[in-house]
Amino acid sequence: DAGVTQSPTHLIKTRGQQVTLRCSPKSGHDTVSWYQQALGQGPQFIFQYYEEEERQRGNFPDRFSGHQFPNYSSELNVNALLLGDSALYLCASSFWLGSRDEQYFGPGTRLTVT
Amino acid sequence: DAKTTQPPSMDCAEGRAANLPCNHSTISGNEYVYWYRQIHSQGPQYIIHGLKNNETNEMASLIITEDRKSSTLILPHATLRDTAVYYCIVRVKSGGGADGLTFGKGTHLIIQP
Repeated sequence: DAGVTQSPTHLIKTRGQQVTLRCSPKSGHDTVSWYQQALGQGPQFIFQYYEEEERQRGNFPDRFSGHQFPNYSSELNVNALLLGDSALYLCASSFWLGSRDEQYFGPGTRLTVT
Repeated sequence: DAKTTQPPSMDCAEGRAANLPCNHSTISGNEYVYWYRQIHSQGPQYIIHGLKNNETNEMASLIITEDRKSSTLILPHATLRDTAVYYCIVRVKSGGGADGLTFGKGTHLIIQP
């Protein structure tokens, strides 16, 4: 049973560029959440997708956008990259009708903006 | 979600019980206590959660005080692999789906050989 997978593992981009990160949820899960984790900090919630729609959003600018596909996989897009966007980006999956708030996290994508 | 307070770091000897405290004095009656941990270079991992009764699973035990203003996560026989950052999160249990989690800075637990 595959867990949450993310690609790529590492990425280096230049200020002003755009980036797309990808996530495949754990088998049987239909909900995907994205988090940003700066060095030395806890993860910060970006947004959550279910049924191909953004269901909840944290305090992030609209430079951060996402998409969910019919197979439940998801993408996170960040436009006009800033140096401060350098972080570990984590994807977590869950089951929308599940009774537990247990989110399964992937290993993350390390984004470096230079 | 209620605010939590955790010590920034703790040490524990391998094989001993690790007791990680969390204060949540403003917790509401419908808020649960959740614990996650994050081993270096990995994503966070769910450990356990509870409302007011003590809970135990294969990973840990959760002790919640009677007034629910604080809790303790207990790893009964800590191993070197338990070295990680442990996050205490207080939140209303979600009805449909799992909403965004609010992580603080957590406690960096270091297991000493």
